[in-house]
Amino acid sequence: EAQVTQNPRYLITVTGKKLTVTCSQNMNHEYMSWYRQDPGLGLRQIYYSMNVEVTDKGDVPEGYKVSRKEKRNFPLILESPSPNQTSLYFCASSSRPGLAGSYEQYFGPGTRLTVT
Amino acid sequence: QQPVQSPQAVILREGEDAVINCSSSKALYSVHWYRQKHGEAPVFLMILLKGGEQKGHDKISASFNEKKQQSSLYLTASQLSYSGTYFCGTRRVGKLIFGTGTRLQVFP
Repeated sequence: EAQVTQNPRYLITVTGKKLTVTCSQNMNHEYMSWYRQDPGLGLRQIYYSMNVEVTDKGDVPEGYKVSRKEKRNFPLILESPSPNQTSLYFCASSSRPGLAGSYEQYFGPGTRLTVT
Repeated sequence: QQPVQSPQAVILREGEDAVINCSSSKALYSVHWYRQKHGEAPVFLMILLKGGEQKGHDKISASFNEKKQQSSLYLTASQLSYSGTYFCGTRRVGKLIFGTGTRLQVFP
């Protein structure tokens, strides 16, 4: 089954304790992306990756890191989480933008993060 | 800058129609529409690539006016399953920028 998986689904942590949210897709997609969703603000892109070893900032990258060492994985790293990073996080993947049929993004189930 | 969606919320009875608008202060080259049901991930509905193009997905269709930098999503004869939050998005190179969403609730 084609899917994007995220782990963990729920996480409660304390300020300053480094954490990683994993994301993996099995559709051989080049493009992967992270979003955060907050009430009233919609989905805001954190980072995206056009291919292995190619990453770029979205609209809200501060406080986050990503890496793309393998095509299927795109982990999101919070080196020193703060309460304002409490949010619902989604990973998504698609074929490379610009190619025919590459428009649909497949979203993972989401990770609800609480930083106290 | 995020596209602006209107209205922010819509309440409908089954069978009624609704229109959701999406506009941008910057040039739009494509418009993507997604729907997110409560507690779930967003799901792709359709994309519009050129001005004036219309597409359909079941009884949901959309138009895209490139010159006005606007897109509208039309929900005809709404069903209970249409309830959720609708997002428009526009791509800028590798970025996909979403609007703030329109919450649609359909009641029996």
